[in-house]
Amino acid sequence: KQEVTQIPAALSVPEGENLVLNCSFTDSAIYNLQWFRQDPGKGLTSLLLIQSSQREQTSGRLNASLDKSSGRSTLYIAASQPGDSATYLCAVTGGGNKLTFGTGTQLKVEL
Amino acid sequence: DAGITQSPRYKITETGRQVTLMCHQTWSHSYMFWYRQDLGHGLRLIYYSAAADITDKGEVSDGYVVSRSKTENFPLTLESATRSQTSVYFCASSGDRSSYNSPLHFGNGTRLTVT
Repeated sequence: KQEVTQIPAALSVPEGENLVLNCSFTDSAIYNLQWFRQDPGKGLTSLLLIQSSQREQTSGRLNASLDKSSGRSTLYIAASQPGDSATYLCAVTGGGNKLTFGTGTQLKVEL
Repeated sequence: DAGITQSPRYKITETGRQVTLMCHQTWSHSYMFWYRQDLGHGLRLIYYSAAADITDKGEVSDGYVVSRSKTENFPLTLESATRSQTSVYFCASSGDRSSYNSPLHFGNGTRLTVT
C-alpha cells in the first residue's frame, strides 16, 4: 500500500525566505506526483504536476523536483510572501488514476 | 463558468438519515473522485469513476453509494449517516480517459456534520 509522508508538518518563516517542503513515498511505481495548495475552508488547487519520466517542473517562484527511485519530491518556494501561507499537499498517482495524498505541510509566512 | 461545483456547502443531519452530496463539473472530464478529509488522516478516497456508468470503490467506501449516469454529475449518498461520517467531503475531476497526467481539479467541499 502506498504511503506518502510530508515533513515538516508545520513551518513558519519570515517573508522573503527561500524554503523547501519535502514529500516521500514508499512505492516508486507511480505515474506522476502533484503538489497542491489548500487555503482554509477551500478545496485544493493543483500547483505542479511532474510526470514519472520528468525530474522537475517550474511555475513562477515554485520549483518541484522528483526522484522516483528514492521516493522523494521537494517543493522549493523562492522569495516567500505572506500570500504563500497555506497548507501544501503532495500526492502520487498510481493505478486506476487514483491519488494517494500526504497529510500536508502547513506554511505560515510572516511579515 | 467552467469548474466543479459541490452542493450543499454545509449540511447538518441526524444519525440514520440518508443524505446526498452533489458534484457537478463543466469540463466533461472522464475521471471523477470523492474524497473525505479528516484531521490526522488527510484525504482518503471514497469512490471514483472513470466514465459514465463506471464506478469503483476507494479505501473508505463502506456506508457510501455513488452513481454516474451523466459524465458531469457524480453524487455521493450516505445511506444511513453515522457520526464517524462527520467530515469535509471533496469532489474532484481530471482529464481525459487515456491520460494519467492531467492535474486534479477540486471543488470547494461540503462540510457534513452528523449529530
